[in-house]
Amino acid sequence: AQSVTQLDSHVSVSEGTPVLLRCNYSSSYSPSLFWYVQHPNKGLQLLLKYTSAATLVKGINGFEAEFKKSETSFHLTKPSAHMSDAAEYFCVVTYGGATNKLIFGTGTLLAVQP
Amino acid sequence: EAGVTQSPTHLIKTRGQQATLRCSPISGHTSVYWYQQALGLGLQFLLWYDEGEERNRGNFPPRFSGRQFPNYSSELNVNALELEDSALYLCASRGRQVTDTEAFFGQGTRLTVV
Repeated sequence: AQSVTQLDSHVSVSEGTPVLLRCNYSSSYSPSLFWYVQHPNKGLQLLLKYTSAATLVKGINGFEAEFKKSETSFHLTKPSAHMSDAAEYFCVVTYGGATNKLIFGTGTLLAVQP
Repeated sequence: EAGVTQSPTHLIKTRGQQATLRCSPISGHTSVYWYQQALGLGLQFLLWYDEGEERNRGNFPPRFSGRQFPNYSSELNVNALELEDSALYLCASRGRQVTDTEAFFGQGTRLTVV
């Protein structure tokens, strides 16, 4: 079955330190992968997407993610955390283009300590 | 260009009543997705509509239903409301082109059942 796994439900970092949020997907042909961010009581905002172009994808707010086919991973990173990064992050995968459904990970809650 | 809009932003109902939530997709998008986000339960897929048809349904009872109109806007109806239906309901839209892989989310409707 197609699936996506976010390995950490909670991550806590100090302001100014690197952020790593991990995501693994079930192996399949041509996945499209996304990271969304959700601030409290808000909708989801697209951070970045991978759709079979460059494997290192840069997104908004200094985030980036690297698609590693051999590891079936799409981890989200940021060199230096900011207080405003505290939110919930969702890794999402879809296969086969726009006509297939979106598969969400269970989310990672990022806390940023001063 | 307007994003995905949901109405109302907040809705308070009593147990046993019916709730109707509305979603207007981004212009040109034909797919609409509904998700329930209850406290502690993550994002749960409810329904997917495309071109006026229900394409997929999550593991929810039949009292959760919806429809998509010819202009691609959508309604989610929840009958016989229960206290555990209290949640943030998110709508997302997506285009039909091969390049339209990502979904765009509205800000959600906060439903409170008392």
